[in-house]
Amino acid sequence: QVQLVQSGSELRKPGASVKISCKASGYTFAYHAIHWFRQAPGQGLEWMGWINSNTGDPTYAQDFTGRFVFSLDTSVSTAYLQISSLKAEDAAVYYCARDLSLSFDSWGQGALVAVSS
Amino acid sequence: EIVLTQSPGTLSVSPGERGTLSCKASQSVSSMSLAWYQQKPGQAPRLLIYGTSTRATGIPDRFSGSGLGTDFTLTISRLEPEDFAVYYCQHYAGSVTFGQGTRLEIK
Repeated sequence: QVQLVQSGSELRKPGASVKISCKASGYTFAYHAIHWFRQAPGQGLEWMGWINSNTGDPTYAQDFTGRFVFSLDTSVSTAYLQISSLKAEDAAVYYCARDLSLSFDSWGQGALVAVSS
Repeated sequence: EIVLTQSPGTLSVSPGERGTLSCKASQSVSSMSLAWYQQKPGQAPRLLIYGTSTRATGIPDRFSGSGLGTDFTLTISRLEPEDFAVYYCQHYAGSVTFGQGTRLEIK
């Protein structure tokens, strides 16, 4: 069955970096883009952008340019989200999800990023 | 950018009754690009409906979606205890936007 498994919770200091992984299984990785979402505590869902799982080309939403980088390792069917220069407001749960074409049918379990000195 | 406005913010309904959730788009959108998700505390969102009215794999038929243009509706015909959660509508056309969510709570 289709599954996306994300890496675990992370605690970082302000100014540090974090890299979250999203390992896909149960389907041909290159056939579906991977999207990234952020959910701040008690808040709704925010789209961060997506990466083409075939070409590796990333597309970033307007609010997620500069410090956010999407990447792939197709040899292990894994997508990554790296956030640099962490700020307190980056504290959130980050989700990856598979693109079904206009919707998202499989989601990772979420990765909590805490930012605290 | 399309703005999605969900109403009500909180809906209180008794188990066994019908729940009707609304999603209004700031401008007309393609029916193919409108989806609904359920999210329970501590869990990832779960796709319920895509293309306005098509149930995702494994979704019970008590969930149905409808709408056209700017007005879309998710209806849960007979609420089960496990249906009480937060529901989001979502639009995707180049960029992705979500409504702010409707919390469905037990009355």
